[in-house]
Amino acid sequence: QSALTQPASVSGSPGQSITISCTGTSSDIGGYNYVSWYQQRPGKAPKLMIHDVGTRPSGVSNRFSASKSGNTASLTISGLQAEDEADYYCSSFTSSSTLVFGAGTQVAVL
Amino acid sequence: EVQLLESGGGLVQPGGSLRLSCTASGFTFSTYAMSWVRQAPGKGLEWVSSIKRNSGSTHYSDSVKGRFTISRDDSKNTLFLQIHSLGVGDTALYYCTRAAGLIDPFDHWGQGTLVTVSS
Repeated sequence: QSALTQPASVSGSPGQSITISCTGTSSDIGGYNYVSWYQQRPGKAPKLMIHDVGTRPSGVSNRFSASKSGNTASLTISGLQAEDEADYYCSSFTSSSTLVFGAGTQVAVL
Repeated sequence: EVQLLESGGGLVQPGGSLRLSCTASGFTFSTYAMSWVRQAPGKGLEWVSSIKRNSGSTHYSDSVKGRFTISRDDSKNTLFLQIHSLGVGDTALYYCTRAAGLIDPFDHWGQGTLVTVSS
């Protein structure tokens, strides 16, 4: 199972919006609505930000939103803040009853 | 408060074995699926293995199938990962995670236990 494809890095200025893409296949992202996004700050464990394509867990800022179209999922961060600097990973359930992560995207706030 | 505490990591020679443990607290352990996710130094997340609640079905990534065995002891609220035939590619921080079910997201993560494979 190959890793989902994410851009290595995305950057934006405070207040701007950025979007991170996550591309898979019909055997993972395209076949199921079980896409999640995780935020990982340096030296910390990952934190769940989005699940089931576009659902935010309680306590996650509504500046984070996500969607899916075909084999590609997207995470959008609106009103970018310094605290959003982190690595972001997408993940998807697969047709083999396994899980696959994306390679990760480093978000920089300029 | 949900807590997941991993242990058992360390320095091991290539070809060696190790057993990782994850002690859970703050929730009804037996009603959740549990998984291991690893992260090599400076690299991304890699799903390793999952086990359904009530010691149900187990699932493994292709990279560890046949070498790793996931298990759980619900009476002790503990998740295990038995690792054999370790290679340098297995060097990573191993996270214990919780999910409602196999298809559900990892809503809680431990802080990880570091496995280093080196001669």
